[in-house]
Amino acid sequence: KAGVTQTPRYLIKTRGQQVTLSCSPISGHRSVSWYQQTPGQGLQFLFEYFSETQRNKGNFPGRFSGRQFSNSRSEMNVSTLELGDSALYLCASSLGGSGSPETQYFGPGTRLLVL
Amino acid sequence: AQSVTQLDSHVSVSEGTPVLLRCNYSSSYSPSLFWYVQHPNKGLQLLLKYTSAATLVKGINGFEAEFKKSETSFHLTKPSAHMSDAAEYFCVVSDRGRTDKLIFGTGTRLQVFP
Repeated sequence: KAGVTQTPRYLIKTRGQQVTLSCSPISGHRSVSWYQQTPGQGLQFLFEYFSETQRNKGNFPGRFSGRQFSNSRSEMNVSTLELGDSALYLCASSLGGSGSPETQYFGPGTRLLVL
Repeated sequence: AQSVTQLDSHVSVSEGTPVLLRCNYSSSYSPSLFWYVQHPNKGLQLLLKYTSAATLVKGINGFEAEFKKSETSFHLTKPSAHMSDAAEYFCVVSDRGRTDKLIFGTGTRLQVFP
């Protein structure tokens, strides 16, 4: 079974631009979560989607948004990029829906550099 | 609120010697705890998971962790380090409720010397 895939793997943008990152979960997984990883702040939760609905959201500004499609694929968008948005963005998927913490499987990440 | 504290930012061991990575947790209820590993330029891989079934949890690659409620600890151990174990290790707690949200520790970088 294929793992979690993320595209693109690397991205360079300039301040003020916007960016869209994509995540394809493991087949059959209905929950997708996004995390930001930076040297200063570590790994921080962005948001979680289950069956096309946002189920949880972290403490990030409204410039960060996401969505999930009917096939469980997810995208996250960052508008008006700032230098501090440079990070590794990780996507994780799980079966979801059981009501108890499930094992999450992570993709390789998208490394975003904002100049 | 749930949180985890990794007590060491760096740990160095010689190949063939035991590994101990320390983690304390804070939770107002019985937590679900995980250890993940991240190799350079790679995503996160689950090593093991505790969900109250057994206090001693065995994971992949010879790692194991023991849940100690009295000490609020979930330390990761391995009897004999291998060069390929060099990586960043994260202790993680699951947030409460109907969510998959994970709360990560700050990480411990493990160096293995030949």
